[in-house]
Amino acid sequence: AQSVTQLGSHVSVSEGALVLLRCNYSSSVPPYLFWYVQYPNQGLQLLLKYTTGATLVKGINGFEAEFKKSETSFHLTKPSAHMSDAAEYFCAVSGQGAGNMLTFGGGTRLMVKP
Amino acid sequence: DAGVIQSPRHEVTEMGQEVTLRCKPISGHNSLFWYRQTMMRGLELLIYFNNNVPIDDSGMPEDRFSAKMPNASFSTLKIQPSEPRDSAVYFCASRGGGGGTGELFFGEGSRLTVL
Repeated sequence: AQSVTQLGSHVSVSEGALVLLRCNYSSSVPPYLFWYVQYPNQGLQLLLKYTTGATLVKGINGFEAEFKKSETSFHLTKPSAHMSDAAEYFCAVSGQGAGNMLTFGGGTRLMVKP
Repeated sequence: DAGVIQSPRHEVTEMGQEVTLRCKPISGHNSLFWYRQTMMRGLELLIYFNNNVPIDDSGMPEDRFSAKMPNASFSTLKIQPSEPRDSAVYFCASRGGGGGTGELFFGEGSRLTVL
């Protein structure tokens, strides 16, 4: 069984400030972890993913996330927020093995203040 | 490469009418998923297909909802009769075969408004 918890349904930062979106997961098998971004009136787009290997994963638009097994976390960060980062962000987990069903978190809406 | 293509992008209809949403998955992908997104419930998985066969439809809310995948390149989600509470954005997503990482590729969505 898998589950994802995203802490904070809304996060507000100032332009130029650090972005930190939190994600904790549970999985009975080694996980694959994903962050998706959804801009207004658009579908979900893959931002980055962790499968195996290096635990610090870099994605598009300057975002990165670090897989921490001991903390069962996969937090998303960006050093400096831009107005265009305003969107909804979804963390997701799938399990290594047959099926690989993706389980999504509830989403975090990021607002960027000028 | 073309992504997942959904139509219509927007649909406004009256209660009681039939609604059909369409999806063309990415060529070569063998799994297809239908999701519904609302403010209240977030992203909900309605049904998914593997090799055109429905595998799990436990997320389909009522018998008014039905989904088909007659071939590898086309799927429909039908609501008959529609109700105002069906108003939502409906997403189709597809995934390649061979296990992989489970990554989904989403369409742009169909925004349904039932008056």
